[in-house]
Amino acid sequence: QGQLVESGGGVVQPGRSLRLSCAASGFTFRSSGMHWVRQAPGKGLEWVAIILYDGSYQYYADSVKGRFTISRDNSKNTLFLQIHGVRPEDTAVYYCAKETSKSGAFDVWGQGTMVTVSS
Amino acid sequence: DIQMTQSPFSMSASVGDRVTITCRASQDIANWLAWYQHKPGKAPQLLISSASDLQIGVPTRFSGSGSGTDFTLTITSLQPEDSATYYCQHANAFPVAFGGGTKVHIK
Repeated sequence: QGQLVESGGGVVQPGRSLRLSCAASGFTFRSSGMHWVRQAPGKGLEWVAIILYDGSYQYYADSVKGRFTISRDNSKNTLFLQIHGVRPEDTAVYYCAKETSKSGAFDVWGQGTMVTVSS
Repeated sequence: DIQMTQSPFSMSASVGDRVTITCRASQDIANWLAWYQHKPGKAPQLLISSASDLQIGVPTRFSGSGSGTDFTLTITSLQPEDSATYYCQHANAFPVAFGGGTKVHIK
């Protein structure tokens, strides 16, 4: 089935940058489209970004476009999310998720890493 | 962009009850629809893909139906461990979108 483990969260001051990582195991990472999804405190799930299996295409939610960069290192089975200029509204649990090629659903999720934006 | 609208926002039901959650897409998404269960502090779990395909290991009391714009998640006999928030998600195009969630409480 596979496993995903996020890291890199923490408390960060507004305007600073942060890089989240997601280590994958148990499935063929280099063949899988990967996503980031976040959940702000007390809110629902919000899709953030996708990167295709080979890194050739990325797409972002309007709320993060221009500030977030999704990338991957297939040689290290790792997904990244670079956040520039963090804002208080970026406070959330960030999940990485693997996409199934057949249905587009997310069949493997990490446990999440918490990002708190606070001065 | 495609918007997903779920109802109800929350509900309370007894063990053994039949529970129905609806999800409406703002445009035709064929069967590109998934359902997830999310419990606090845990990773979301995929229950159903392609509108009606039950994932391996998910109890058969969960089922999904619908196509086009209107979809339904049904729990035929609610169990205590089903207390969670349920989300629909379309996978028809980018940007992907989730519904707002339905919180299911056990009476």
